[in-house]
Amino acid sequence: DAGVIQSPRHEVTEMGQEVTLRCKPISGHNSLFWYRQTMMRGLELLIYFNNNVPIDDSGMPEDRFSAKMPNASFSTLKIQPSEPRDSAVYFCASSLRWGARETQYFGPGTRLLVL
Amino acid sequence: GDSVTQMEGPVTLSEEAFLTINCTYTATGYPSLFWYVQYPGEGLQLLLKATKADDKGSNKGFEATYRKETTSFHLEKGSVQVSDSAVYFCALSDRRRAAGNKLTFGGGTRVLVKP
Repeated sequence: DAGVIQSPRHEVTEMGQEVTLRCKPISGHNSLFWYRQTMMRGLELLIYFNNNVPIDDSGMPEDRFSAKMPNASFSTLKIQPSEPRDSAVYFCASSLRWGARETQYFGPGTRLLVL
Repeated sequence: GDSVTQMEGPVTLSEEAFLTINCTYTATGYPSLFWYVQYPGEGLQLLLKATKADDKGSNKGFEATYRKETTSFHLEKGSVQVSDSAVYFCALSDRRRAAGNKLTFGGGTRVLVKP
């Protein structure tokens, strides 16, 4: 069984450039989450989707961040323009159903460095 | 709002020692509780969970009991191995919230087991 797939695994870019992170959830899962992890702020939930619809994007730090889920098997998180403070590990997670008892399955993360 | 507090690390132990990581929570509703583990360079994975009071979650020798009266979910293992070295996250999701399985994480506790 393939888990959550994220690409790229590592990204190094220069300030001002556009960055696109990609996620393929586990097949059949209908909830998807984007997180950011830094030493200073720990794990932060950025946005989450249910049945491809964004439910809550209150964790998105600012307008430079946007996320889409055009279909059940693909999601993107875009940063435009990128800044050095966006450097972090970005995780995508999915769960089978919508509900508080559901387990979230995390991808391996994308390590982003903005110079 | 919901919050999770866990003991700060790092926790350094010798192999076969007893491990306890304290976790307490604040929630307006009746949450489900989780422990996730993150091994170096990887995403988070579920270690165990409990969805109602007095439930005990267990996996890989780890245990945690949902204590509603003390709002706690402490993680324990009787005899740790070097392979248990990781960062452990306590988390909750509140079933009464419309947010469904939105997870609130603690800050993580790094555990280092020495041979």
